[in-house]
Amino acid sequence: NAGVTQTPKFQVLKTGQSMTLQCAQDMNHEYMSWYRQDPGMGLRLIHYSVGAGITDQGEVPNGYNVSRSTTEDFPLRLLSAAPSQTSVYFCASTLDQRSARNEQFFGPGTRLTVL
Amino acid sequence: GQSLEQPSEVTAVEGAIVQINCTYQTSGFYGLSWYQQHDGGAPTFLSYNGLDGLEETGRFSSFLSRSDSYGYLLLQELQMKDSASYFCAVRDYGGATNKLIFGTGTLLAVQP
Repeated sequence: NAGVTQTPKFQVLKTGQSMTLQCAQDMNHEYMSWYRQDPGMGLRLIHYSVGAGITDQGEVPNGYNVSRSTTEDFPLRLLSAAPSQTSVYFCASTLDQRSARNEQFFGPGTRLTVL
Repeated sequence: GQSLEQPSEVTAVEGAIVQINCTYQTSGFYGLSWYQQHDGGAPTFLSYNGLDGLEETGRFSSFLSRSDSYGYLLLQELQMKDSASYFCAVRDYGGATNKLIFGTGTLLAVQP
């Protein structure tokens, strides 16, 4: 199993550009989520999905869209990039949203810079 | 709202014991988890407490007191490779909500 994969690893955008960060998992996990990590801010939840066709907002959803058409994929779209979105983005997945243990498996991250 | 508080930095020497505390405030609570993150890497799961008390996994232990909204991670026999950031996380679960919320993290520096 590849686990959770993310592409690209690095990306530089200009203000106003749009792009999609890709996330895929091959573990048949129900629950997937996107976090951003900024220095001193920890991991902040952007959006999450409890299954194909179901998504919900996290703590910092503004400026981002998600969709979940398949169990495997959970792309994150930046609609109009802003310098405040410069961050490291992590995708994560969990086998079963109902599991109390809720161990999350993280991808390697995408380092995004918006100029 | 939800909030989790941890110390920002902790320093300890090799072989010592260190405790990283976490206090939380959430509208719903369904367990406290701990994650480790080495510089530049992805967070990895360390432990989970759903009930009050101590859970032990090798050199690492984690404790939870739900009445105090408090938990801690205990690292024993510290090694240089334990230098990393440690995050507590609370599952906010109830109604239509199912979120894993992280604290801001504690940077542990292990010195020789």
